[in-house]
Amino acid sequence: KAGVTQTPRYLIKTRGQQVTLSCSPISGHRSVSWYQQTPGQGLQFLFEYFSETQRNKGNFPGRFSGRQFSNSRSEMNVSTLELGDSALYLCASIPGTGRETQYFGPGTRLLVL
Amino acid sequence: GQQLNQSPQSMFIQEGEDVSMNCTSSSIFNTWLWYKQDPGEGPVLLIALYKAGELTSNGRLTAQFGITRKDSFLNISASIPSDVGIYFCAGQGWSGNQFYFGTGTSLTVIP
Repeated sequence: KAGVTQTPRYLIKTRGQQVTLSCSPISGHRSVSWYQQTPGQGLQFLFEYFSETQRNKGNFPGRFSGRQFSNSRSEMNVSTLELGDSALYLCASIPGTGRETQYFGPGTRLLVL
Repeated sequence: GQQLNQSPQSMFIQEGEDVSMNCTSSSIFNTWLWYKQDPGEGPVLLIALYKAGELTSNGRLTAQFGITRKDSFLNISASIPSDVGIYFCAGQGWSGNQFYFGTGTSLTVIP
């Protein structure tokens, strides 16, 4: 079974731009969570999607948004990028069947200049 | 959001030594997960625990779900150089589906 796929793996943007990151979960998994990881803040929860609906949301500004498609693939978008948005963005694939666990993708490394 | 207390923050050990780390929470959890992360990569799931008191092994790794439901422990026996990395715990409570993560334990194994 293929693992979690995230694209792109690396991205360089400038302040003020916007970015879209993509995540394809494990086949058959229905839920996707997104996290931001920085050296100073650790793993911070962004949001979770289940069956195309946002089920949970972390404490991030409205510049951070996401969506999930009918095939469970998910995208997250960050608008008006700031220097502090530089981070590793991780997507986690969750079965959505009850006894939950999370399988992470390799992440997208975003650098904002 | 809630963050779990994970200790120790870092460890420097000799190859062959055993390692113990733990995670505590102020809330009751019904799931505990342990991950290992290498630099620049996503965390890799090591062990999943779903029941208070549960003790689960994965090779040289053993993890336990605390009886109080507010803590979990990870032990690594006979450490080897490839055990180097950052270990994270994660917990999920009853009230929601969100997982909360520990601050990580950085492990260095000296050959």
